[in-house]
Amino acid sequence: QQQVRQSSQSLTVWEGETAILNCSYENSAFDYFPWYQQFPGEGPALLIAIRSVSDKKEDGRFTIFFNKREKNLSLHIKDSQPGDSATYFCAASGGNYQLIWGSGTKLIIKP
Amino acid sequence: EAAVTQSPRNKVTVTGGNVTLSCRQTNSHNYMYWYRQDTGHGLRLIHYSYGAGNLQIGDVPDGYKATRTTQEDFFLLLELASPSQTSLYFCASSERGANTGQLYFGEGSKLTVL
Repeated sequence: QQQVRQSSQSLTVWEGETAILNCSYENSAFDYFPWYQQFPGEGPALLIAIRSVSDKKEDGRFTIFFNKREKNLSLHIKDSQPGDSATYFCAASGGNYQLIWGSGTKLIIKP
Repeated sequence: EAAVTQSPRNKVTVTGGNVTLSCRQTNSHNYMYWYRQDTGHGLRLIHYSYGAGNLQIGDVPDGYKATRTTQEDFFLLLELASPSQTSLYFCASSERGANTGQLYFGEGSKLTVL
C-alpha cells in the first residue's frame, strides 16, 4: 500500500520553464509534507516543506501548492536550471516519528 | 551544518554473510534513522533511535538489527545477508522527530549481496 504517490517517475522540461511535480496521499491525518532533493551519489536534502494549515509555501524559485480537500500537493520550480536536475521526493507525516516517502520523480532540465 | 558519515560506502558480500554498516553524526542530534532506498519504493525506514541505547522498529525491519551505542553512533547489522537486501542504505539524523524537523542524510552505503 503506497500512502504517498508521485505520479511521474520522470519529467523533462526545458531550461527556463516551470517544472511541476505532483504528489498525492491517502491518509487524511498527514499534516507535514516535506520535499527532498537528491543528486546522484548523495543523500536526500530538505528542499522545502509545508504544513496542512497552509495552502502555499514559497522559497525563492520553489513553491508548494497544497490542496487538503483533494489530498494532493505539487512542487513548482520556476525558471528551471540545469542544476535543478535531480530526483525529488515527496514525503508525509502524521504525528509519529516517521516519514512516509513517495517513490520519487527524476527531473531532467534540458538546456 | 549537520554532518552524517557512513561507512563503508560500498560493500559486497555473499549470501549468509555478516555485514555491519556504520553511521556517525557530529551534531548531537537525538534522532537517528536507517533507511533503504530501492527504485520504485523511495526510502523505507528500517530502524530508528531517539537516543543512546534506544531502538525503535521501522517499516521494514525483518533481517536487520540495529544498535545505538552513543549519541553519535548508530549501526545496522545484517547477520545472514540475503540477495533481497541488496540496496542503497542511508543513515540520517535529526534534532527532533521526522514529523517536525529536518533530516540530515549521509552519502549512502551501497550493499551488494551475491
